[in-house]
Amino acid sequence: GQQLNQSPQSMFIQEGEDVSMNCTSSSIFNTWLWYKQDPGEGPVLLIALYKAGELTSNGRLTAQFGITRKDSFLNISASIPSDVGIYFCAGTSSTGTASKLTFGTGTRLQVTL
Amino acid sequence: EAGVAQSPRYKIIEKRQSVAFWCNPISGHATLYWYQQILGQGPKLLIQFQNNGVVDDSQLPKDRFSAERLKGVDSTLKIQPAKLEDSAVYLCASSLAAQGTQYFGPGTRLTVL
Repeated sequence: GQQLNQSPQSMFIQEGEDVSMNCTSSSIFNTWLWYKQDPGEGPVLLIALYKAGELTSNGRLTAQFGITRKDSFLNISASIPSDVGIYFCAGTSSTGTASKLTFGTGTRLQVTL
Repeated sequence: EAGVAQSPRYKIIEKRQSVAFWCNPISGHATLYWYQQILGQGPKLLIQFQNNGVVDDSQLPKDRFSAERLKGVDSTLKIQPAKLEDSAVYLCASSLAAQGTQYFGPGTRLTVL
C-alpha cells in the first residue's frame, strides 16, 4: 500500500527558531495536506496543497507540493511554545467518487524556552 | 458550529470482550470516516461512509470489526472480540462531501488488557 515517510521523527528546538520537516512518498498524490495533533485531540488541518509546485502560506507556516507530486515540506518560522505537537503530512488519492487520505508517520515537535 | 463528537473518550476492556464507539459528525456532513491510530503512528482509514452507504472498507478487519451509519447521521464502530493489538485511538472524521476537508473528533482511546 501507499506509504508516507516523514522526517525528522522528532525535534527539539528553541523558541524563535525556524523549523523544517518533510514528507516523501513512493506514490503520486493528488493533494498534500499538513495536520497538527495535540495530545488527546484529533488532527487539525493546517495547510492544503492542490497543485504540483504550489507554495502556500498560513501565518508562520509555509508548505510546498513537490513537482514530482511525491513529496512536500512544511516550514514553521519563529516557533512559539504552542507549536508543540505532532505534525502529520497526508496525501489524498481518488478511488472513483471516494477520496482516500493516507497519513505519514508524524514529526513530534518540542519547543524549549 | 459544533465539531465532531465522539464517546466514550476512554475505554479499558479485557481481550475477547466487545466494545462499541459512537460518533456524531458535523451537521450536514454527508461523509463519515473511522480511523485507527496506533501509538506513534499516523491515523489509518478503517471505513468511509457516504450518507448511509459504505464507500471504502478495504482496510477494516471484517472478522472482528463492524460499523454502521443506519440513518446517515451518527455512526457506531464495534469490535467483537477485541485483541491486544486493537489498543489504539479510534478517530471519527466527517466532511461535507467525499472530496472535502475532513474534520476530526477528539477520538476514543481504547486499551485492551
